[in-house]
Amino acid sequence: NAGVTQTPKFRILKIGQSMTLQCTQDMNHNYMYWYRQDPGMGLKLIYYSVGAGITDKGEVPNGYNVSRSTTEDFPLRLELAAPSQTSVYFCASSYEGEGSPLHFGNGTRLTVT
Amino acid sequence: AQSVTQLDSQVPVFEEAPVELRCNYSSSVSVYLFWYVQYPNQGLQLLLKYLSGSTLVESINGFEAEFNKSQTSFHLRKPSVHISDTAEYFCAVDSTSYGKLTFGQGTILTVHP
Repeated sequence: NAGVTQTPKFRILKIGQSMTLQCTQDMNHNYMYWYRQDPGMGLKLIYYSVGAGITDKGEVPNGYNVSRSTTEDFPLRLELAAPSQTSVYFCASSYEGEGSPLHFGNGTRLTVT
Repeated sequence: AQSVTQLDSQVPVFEEAPVELRCNYSSSVSVYLFWYVQYPNQGLQLLLKYLSGSTLVESINGFEAEFNKSQTSFHLRKPSVHISDTAEYFCAVDSTSYGKLTFGQGTILTVHP
């Protein structure tokens, strides 16, 4: 039972570098989400997707991009890393969207120095 | 717009004592409410949810939460906590389409022997 899988678990970037956080789910869920978690701030929605080929911005999308070419995969791209993007990133999925519980991955801890 | 406020950032308690973690929300429309739990270095896991019907909802490990529409609250309670309940707890509200959750800031529950 893999569920939602995120890679890598940890990453250190230098300012200005780029990287892609990978997320894949094997539950055939249509809805997928990217959140960032900062201490004392809870989780903030970055981007979400309601199905392959459809994505939309969440509360804090600046500095990030996403794509959804398949139902299973929802990668998050950081183009020019900044210290403000130091955070823990969580990918999640749900079956029906509204009212459905989210299934979370174990997160990617990113440090930008 | 919707928002969630968790009134306590940290709650220390002794084993076998009762505990209440407080959550208030604001929304102009009907809501779905959730409590998630996060153990160290893991993603969030669903603890319980309120979608409709009975205002008192229970989890399989002894937690319960009561939806109070007039006070816009969804407090989490457990009559007797265990060491293993030590974790961070997040209250979340969904009042939009697409299952986009708004999370509270989190409450760290520490159970002491």
